Amino acid sequence: EDQVTQSPEALRLQEGESSSLNCSYTVSGLRGLFWYRQDPGKGPEFLFTLYSAGEEKEKERLKATLTKKESFLHITAPKPEDSATYLCAVQPYSGGGADGLTFGKGTHLIIQP
Amino acid sequence: DAGVIQSPRHEVTEMGQEVTLRCKPISGHDYLFWYRQTMMRGLELLIYFNNNVPIDDSGMPEDRFSAKMPNASFSTLKIQPSEPRDSAVYFCASRYSGQPQHFGDGTRLSIL
Repeated sequence: EDQVTQSPEALRLQEGESSSLNCSYTVSGLRGLFWYRQDPGKGPEFLFTLYSAGEEKEKERLKATLTKKESFLHITAPKPEDSATYLCAVQPYSGGGADGLTFGKGTHLIIQP
Repeated sequence: DAGVIQSPRHEVTEMGQEVTLRCKPISGHDYLFWYRQTMMRGLELLIYFNNNVPIDDSGMPEDRFSAKMPNASFSTLKIQPSEPRDSAVYFCASRYSGQPQHFGDGTRLSIL
């Protein structure tokens, strides 16, 4: 069974204080690893897809990296508007439900001014 | 372009009543997904369709839940009869082959 574990569950940072969120996963074969951002009362918003170990993607203050067992979302010099819940999900290569995503429970990030 | 549209945004009903949630996917997308989000279990896949055909419903919790996709622009998730433990936020997502999923803003369902 595919599993995704995110840590920490919650993180409070000062504006400008860089940090990293962790996503550990177990999957029979990885087709893709996804990062989403979710604001209160909204649906998840797509950020990145990573396909193979060593791959990196960047968008503004966010950078996602991937190894064979985990992914990191690095946040550099965050601003209050980066406050949100960040969700990690995996899509397996084969088997029933191969097109659905298995999500972690997310990291609730708060950036204080 | 309009995103995934879900209705209603909020639904409050009494135990035993039938509940119907609606979703309009992004035009041109050929996959549609229904998820449920709770504090305890996070975001869980219930069922998904490809070209209007149900592909995997293994996440549907029990026979009280059913989903249909009569055409490419509309899907429903029905709960009959509803129970308090069905209270959650239900999300619909759609995508085109090989692309990431795009989510609607969900329906917050409360069963009293």
